[in-house]
Amino acid sequence: KNEVEQSPQNLTAQEGEFITINCSYSVGISALHWLQQHPGGGIVSLFMLSSGKKKHGRLIATINIQEKHSSLHITASHPRDSAVYICAVRGFYGGSQGNLIFGKGTKLSVKP
Amino acid sequence: DADVTQTPRNRITKTGKRIMLECSQTKGHDRMYWYRQDPGLGLRLIYYSFDVKDINKGEISDGYSVSRQAQAKFSLSLESAIPNQTALYFCATSDPSGGREAFFGQGTRLTVV
Repeated sequence: KNEVEQSPQNLTAQEGEFITINCSYSVGISALHWLQQHPGGGIVSLFMLSSGKKKHGRLIATINIQEKHSSLHITASHPRDSAVYICAVRGFYGGSQGNLIFGKGTKLSVKP
Repeated sequence: DADVTQTPRNRITKTGKRIMLECSQTKGHDRMYWYRQDPGLGLRLIYYSFDVKDINKGEISDGYSVSRQAQAKFSLSLESAIPNQTALYFCATSDPSGGREAFFGQGTRLTVV
């Protein structure tokens, strides 16, 4: 079983729709990251959070530490949001246990 | 200029050839990482370095080697490339004092034929 599971794997939405991508993990973590990978391949960090909720523009990330679950929401989706969204968690400890563990990603396609 | 720069961006090489992928960063971070990404799989850690004198193997280091030439430079080498090393490779940095947010390069698409 993967330590970081994302759902759905693929998601197609119409422009304007509210989108939710889920991430569940099975290890204790110090932080959770949401990353965005555009078709050109580059990866950018969207959020890093360890509790509660963060908002940036139309993107909202939440995390529930007790339930080991995080969600990424996109409000008023737009075709430029089409990308792969990757959840990654960082363990508590130093050394290799403090490195990122990645989910397989959710491929989002927003149609005009 | 990008904070993390990878060269080359694309490379096709033949089986058995030695190839080096280079990464440089302007973030001033001590920690640097090399990952590979394959279709349907998450990013997997090849090697990581916490400073110039500290190099560590990740989960898939076999067939790879690295060199940390300076705080800003971290190179990945394939000593004798094989087709199953065809993948998208990413370099990344993080800074513990900044909460360890990760910064990624644009990726290098490597094809071994």
